[in-house]
Amino acid sequence: GESVGLHLPTLSVQEGDNSIINCAYSNSASDYFIWYKQESGKGPQFIIDIRSNMDKRQGQRVTVLLNKTVKHLSLQIAATQPGDSAVYFCAETPYNFNKFYFGSGTKLNVKP
Amino acid sequence: EAQVTQNPRYLITVTGKKLTVTCSQNMNHEYMSWYRQDPGLGLRQIYYSMNVEVTDKGDVPEGYKVSRKEKRNFPLILESPSPNQTSLYFCASSSRAGGPATQYFGPGTRLTVL
Repeated sequence: GESVGLHLPTLSVQEGDNSIINCAYSNSASDYFIWYKQESGKGPQFIIDIRSNMDKRQGQRVTVLLNKTVKHLSLQIAATQPGDSAVYFCAETPYNFNKFYFGSGTKLNVKP
Repeated sequence: EAQVTQNPRYLITVTGKKLTVTCSQNMNHEYMSWYRQDPGLGLRQIYYSMNVEVTDKGDVPEGYKVSRKEKRNFPLILESPSPNQTSLYFCASSSRAGGPATQYFGPGTRLTVL
């Protein structure tokens, strides 16, 4: 099966600092990558995505970087806020965009 | 309001008693999917559906059944639940099957099988 994993299970940052959450994947055929945010008691919420033909994509305060050479994905959150405290998951899907594989998640704690 | 709804939100049952978790979306989405979430394992895909009457297995389909008779509904059926199916279940939908599209998740159903 697919293997999508995270390097750090918990990340603590100071409010206002930048956060970087990392993710490794194993399938070189993966074509579409997504970051989700899950707050306590809720379902995952889409943050940002990137196709395999790109290496960087920016959203509002978030940036996703994709390094296909080392099969690595990262999520950067600028000026982290208390409302960013949540569990963050990366997910990937190969060519058919129907089967999805999620990482185990990183918990982000934002200290005021 | 565009949303994915699941019922029930919480369920405690006993081994072997058939149950159904319903999922409904009001966004006219083609694609729907079921996931289970267990501590330390993230979300794992159980089944997905690309459209009405089109379903396929995900990574962990054993012990589950699904049906897609209407576009908006995608129920998850456990014919004979076992304790190892105790988990948090999420339904999701997206506008496009076979192409990159944002998945919208329901609020989750916490199932305990005794």
